[in-house]
Amino acid sequence: AQKVTQAQTEISVVEKEDVTLDCVYETRDTTYYLFWYKQPPSGELVFLIRRNSFDEQNEISGRYSWNFQKSTSSFNFTITASQVVDSAVYFCALTLQTGANNLFFGTGTRLTVIP
Amino acid sequence: DSGVTQTPKHLITATGQRVTLRCSPRSGDLSVYWYQQSLDQGLQFLIHYYNGEERAKGNILERFSAQQFPDLHSELNLSSLELGDSALYFCASSVDVGGLTEAFFGQGTRLTVV
Repeated sequence: AQKVTQAQTEISVVEKEDVTLDCVYETRDTTYYLFWYKQPPSGELVFLIRRNSFDEQNEISGRYSWNFQKSTSSFNFTITASQVVDSAVYFCALTLQTGANNLFFGTGTRLTVIP
Repeated sequence: DSGVTQTPKHLITATGQRVTLRCSPRSGDLSVYWYQQSLDQGLQFLIHYYNGEERAKGNILERFSAQQFPDLHSELNLSSLELGDSALYFCASSVDVGGLTEAFFGQGTRLTVV
């Protein structure tokens, strides 16, 4: 069975601090895809990144970076120099190449950036 | 703007009633997924349609049903509504099946059952 665990329920940081959101996943499949989505207070789900299981290169996009480590089944997300606009709930998700192809979501981490 | 349109944005209805939620996928996307987000269950996959055909079911109640029409828009029908059905219902679309591409989500329909 597939499972995504986001152990951090809520995190608060002061603006300009760096913050890392943890994501640990479980699957027996060798081909899978990992995602991060942002859900701001307005409620929509905003796609941030997709990673396939064969690409362990870390990725940086502006203040965002992602660290994918298959050895620890983790796909962590770091925001550098956090801003108030980063305040949101962040979801990590997993999908497989086979089967229902739906997204398995973690329970989310609520990030509050304090000005 | 993800390009996925969901209507209505908000819906308030009474227990026992039936509602229909509508989703228009991004242009060119053949796959439509429905998800339910509730406080106790989190984000749960309900059902997946691909080019008009049902592909997979998740934790969808028998009181719920969906379809995808020839123009690729989809509708989620919820009947005999209960208080516990109050949730945010999302539709997502992608070009093809599965994790091969990004899934783009609509803004959701917030359903309140009173």
